[in-house]
Amino acid sequence: GNSVTQMEGPVTLSEEAFLTINCTYTATGYPSLFWYVQYPGEGLQLLLKATKADDKGSNKGFEATYRKETTSFHLEKGSVQVSDSAVYFCALKGKGNKLVFGAGTILRVKS
Amino acid sequence: EPEVTQTPSHQVTQMGQEVILRCVPISNHLYFYWYRQILGQKVEFLVSFYNNEISEKSEIFDDQFSVERPDGSNFTLKIRSTKLEDSAMYFCASSGQGPWGDTQYFGPGTRLTVL
Repeated sequence: GNSVTQMEGPVTLSEEAFLTINCTYTATGYPSLFWYVQYPGEGLQLLLKATKADDKGSNKGFEATYRKETTSFHLEKGSVQVSDSAVYFCALKGKGNKLVFGAGTILRVKS
Repeated sequence: EPEVTQTPSHQVTQMGQEVILRCVPISNHLYFYWYRQILGQKVEFLVSFYNNEISEKSEIFDDQFSVERPDGSNFTLKIRSTKLEDSAMYFCASSGQGPWGDTQYFGPGTRLTVL
């Protein structure tokens, strides 16, 4: 079945550091890929998405490129802020409706 | 911006009791979902609902669970006889198009605590 693997956290960075959170997937066909973010005490918010190979999703300085050849969708940001501290979830949607989530990666940004 | 809302934000219940979690999806959306997140674990799919019937469900979604769209705006998840292991954050989501490539928008969640 479909699955998503994310790098384990927590990831602790200083403000303005470069961020990469790795995400790889296993799926049949051509899934859509998503990054969701969960701020402390809140629900899941869509951060960005990509629906086909080589698409780049971007939002709020975050980017991720759908790499079919490596089955990856790594999240990057050039300069993180304290306000980016949250849990980041990679997810895929294949045929059908359900989202399959990774385990989530906690990001802590220190000032 | 339209958003998914959920009530209550926190529900405490005794084991064996019935609970109903309520959601108001985004108004022009057609697909509705429930997910749950046990503390410290992955977000897990429970069920999807379209055109007044379940379109997909996971193995978690057994006979103790049911969903309903009782009117044009609400979408509910009922747990008939709660167990300790049902304690989790329950998220409702909705989406506007067919099953390929569309975005699901999530509510803030209901934290269910079963004592």
